[in-house]
Formats: sequence, structure tokens, C-alpha cells
Amino acid sequence: EVQLVESGGGVVQPGGSLRLSCAASGFDFNTYWMTWVRQAPGRGLEWVGNIRSDGYVEGYADSVKGRFTISRDNAKKSLYLQMNSLRVDDTATYYCVRGNSGYVYWGLGTLVTVSS
Amino acid sequence: DIVLTQVPDSLVVSLGERATINCRSSQSVLFSSDNYNYLAWYQQKPGQPPKLLISWASTRVSGVPDRFSGSGSGTDFTLTISSLQAEDVAVYYCQQHYSPPFTFGGGTKVEVK
Repeated sequence: EVQLVESGGGVVQPGGSLRLSCAASGFDFNTYWMTWVRQAPGRGLEWVGNIRSDGYVEGYADSVKGRFTISRDNAKKSLYLQMNSLRVDDTATYYCVRGNSGYVYWGLGTLVTVSS
Repeated sequence: DIVLTQVPDSLVVSLGERATINCRSSQSVLFSSDNYNYLAWYQQKPGQPPKLLISWASTRVSGVPDRFSGSGSGTDFTLTISSLQAEDVAVYYCQQHYSPPFTFGGGTKVEVK
């Protein structure tokens, strides 16, 4: 059974940093692109970025480019999202998603709140 | 970036009636080399992650009831629920995966009258 479990969310002040993790199981992690999608409270879905299976290609939404970095450790079957220079409008539930298109498998999400 | 515009923002439909959601893309998401439309539809219920309903604009995902159908090509797409059931109350999103960033539409909230 495919499982994606996010962790690392919490409350952080504006300008701060946070690192999210996603533990994957039930599939060959090192053969899939992985994606982060976020959703602000009461708002729609926003694609954050993705990373190729080998970790050498990444893509980002303009809203996070230069502040967020996606990485992965295939040996640990883990995906990461390093978030720096956090802003109030980064407040959202962050979902770990398997794949690069037609996202079948999603984690339950981890909430990040940026507030002073 | 490709902008996806969903219409309407919300929809109130009687049980058993048809619900139609439109998604317009600011540029074509039809990939000429394979003739596939790189567009998907998702359903999201409160407190849950989104669920993939339709991929490649019109291919229903395994296990999705056949009352859900997707159509369209190029820049204009439609999700149709042929006979609304109570469990279909949700927010529906389109998403393009033609060109990064893989943007989502703003969502359409479907409620029962």
C-alpha cells in the first residue's frame, strides 16, 4: 500500500525557516518524480514544486522560487521541502504527492503557520 | 505560466441532476506529439486531500463512478457529473501538467439544492 506521511509542520515567525519531510512507503520511491502541493486555509490548491526521481531536476512555482528547495534521499525513501524566508502567505497545509502528473497518491498534509 | 480559469466558482444542483464545471486554459495543453491533453480533474472533500477523478482530460480513474466524465481539448475542458449524488458535494479542481509550474484552477464548489 502506498503511503506518504508528511511531518515537520508548525508555527514559525515571518522570516524564519522550516524543513518538511515526507516518508514514502509501498512503492519504488527512486523511480518516481515527487511533488509538493500546498493549500492555504479555506483556499485552493497551489503547486509548489517537484523533483525528478534522481534528484537532479527540480521545478518551482514563482511564488517560492529562491526561497524553497526540494530535495530527496532515495536511500531513506524521503522527500524534503526546505522553506526559508517564510512569509505570512506561506501559511498552508503542505501535501506530499507522488508523481509528476495525474496525482493519484497524496499524503494527509502538514500544517505550516507563519505568524508573529 | 498557464492560467486555468474555472467557471462557475460555485454550483447548487438538485440530487439526480447534472452538474457541469468548465475549465479554460490560457494556452493549449494539447501535446501535439502524442495528441494527449495534459489536464486532470480532482475532487476534494473537507478535511481530505484531493482525489484524482479524470486524467488526460477524459480518462476516468479506476474506481471513479461513471457518472463523472471529462471532455474537451486544447484550451476548453468540462467535468460533468451526470446525476449528482449527496456524496459528490465537494470542491472540484482542474490542473494542467503540460508546462511547469503545473497550475490548478481556482476550484468549483458543488452543493446540493
